Amino acid sequence: NAGVTQTPKFQVLKTGQSMTLQCAQDMNHNSMYWYRQDPGMGLRLIYYSASEGTTDKGEVPNGYNVSRLNKREFSLRLESAAPSQTSVYFCASSEAHRRVREQFFGPGTRLTVL
Amino acid sequence: GQQLNQSPQSMFIQEGEDVSMNCTSSSIFNTWLWYKQDPGEGPVLLIALYKAGELTSNGRLTAQFGITRKDSFLNISASIPSDVGIYFCAGQLGSGSARQLTFGSGTQLTVLP
Repeated sequence: NAGVTQTPKFQVLKTGQSMTLQCAQDMNHNSMYWYRQDPGMGLRLIYYSASEGTTDKGEVPNGYNVSRLNKREFSLRLESAAPSQTSVYFCASSEAHRRVREQFFGPGTRLTVL
Repeated sequence: GQQLNQSPQSMFIQEGEDVSMNCTSSSIFNTWLWYKQDPGEGPVLLIALYKAGELTSNGRLTAQFGITRKDSFLNISASIPSDVGIYFCAGQLGSGSARQLTFGSGTQLTVLP
């Protein structure tokens, strides 16, 4: 099992460009999450998907959109990147949403917006 | 949103020493988790706590769920160089916000040889 995989590992964008971050899990988990990590601020939830076909906003959703493509895949899209979106993005998954307690994380995507 | 206060922000210790870090919140949580993050990697779950007062060990790591349900601590005994990294606490609220984890800002641990 690869667990949670993310692509790309690194990305540099110019302000206004768009891109999609990909995430996939092979653990047959129902729930998936997107976080951003900024220095000294821990992880903040952007969007989550409790189950295939549903998505909900987290703490910091502005400027992002998500798609739960199927049970395995959950993508994060930046339509018009801004320097404030420079961050490390982590995808996570968990087995059952109402027992969200244990989340397993991918290796992260390091995004720089110039 | 909810906030967790994690302390200390950073620690420098000698190899072999014990380490203690904690998280406090103004809100009651029904789950506490402790994660470790190595440089360039995602967080990895170390210990999960589900009941107030629970004390759980994982090798040299011990964590406790505070009886008030508003705090938790993590101890590492006899530290070794591979303990270096950032340690995060995370709490899950009860019903109504049960879907989300709230993370502390992390404790950066450096172990000196």
